[in-house]
Amino acid sequence: NAGVTQTPKFRVLKTGQSMTLLCAQDMNHEYMYWYRQDPGMGLRLIHYSVGEGTTAKGEVPDGYNVSRLKKQNFLLGLESAAPSQTSVYFCASSYGREVYEQYFGPGTRLTVT
Amino acid sequence: AQKVTQAQTEISVVEKEDVTLDCVYETRDTTYYLFWYKQPPSGELVFLIRRNSFDEQNEISGRYSWNFQKSTSSFNFTITASQVVDSAVYFCALSEATEGNNRLAFGKGNQVVVIP
Repeated sequence: NAGVTQTPKFRVLKTGQSMTLLCAQDMNHEYMYWYRQDPGMGLRLIHYSVGEGTTAKGEVPDGYNVSRLKKQNFLLGLESAAPSQTSVYFCASSYGREVYEQYFGPGTRLTVT
Repeated sequence: AQKVTQAQTEISVVEKEDVTLDCVYETRDTTYYLFWYKQPPSGELVFLIRRNSFDEQNEISGRYSWNFQKSTSSFNFTITASQVVDSAVYFCALSEATEGNNRLAFGKGNQVVVIP
């Protein structure tokens, strides 16, 4: 099992550009999440999904959109990147229904100039 | 709203010393889960332990131990006889079961530096 994978690992964008981060899991997990990690801030939840075709806002959703068209994939989009979105982005997944631990991907380091 | 506080930002210890990380949480739910994750310098997040609010039994796993006290809303983590490989950021996290989405609220993390 590959677990949770994220594509790409690194990316540099210019202000105003758009991009999509891809998260894939092969554990048949129901729930998936996108977090961002900034120095001294811990991890903050951006959006999450409790099943295929459903998404919901987390703590810091502004400037991001998500889609969960397939159970194994969870996409995070930035329509018009801003320097404030420079961060490390982590995807995670969990079994759902009961509160189980979340398994994290390796992260994507995004820099917006 | 759920909240997790890890007051210590950076802790330095000499190898073989014990180190204890404090975690204090806030929640109105009676059913909740607490977690510790480790983030080594390589950057990945590694799950260490999960505890539910009905199980206050403390746990020891190798050099790691956890002390859960509902009366003080604390879920502290101790590394015994620290090693250089323990150098990492450790995160405490909380999930409220009644929300039904298993979302995690993280503390800001404790940077542990083990000096050889």
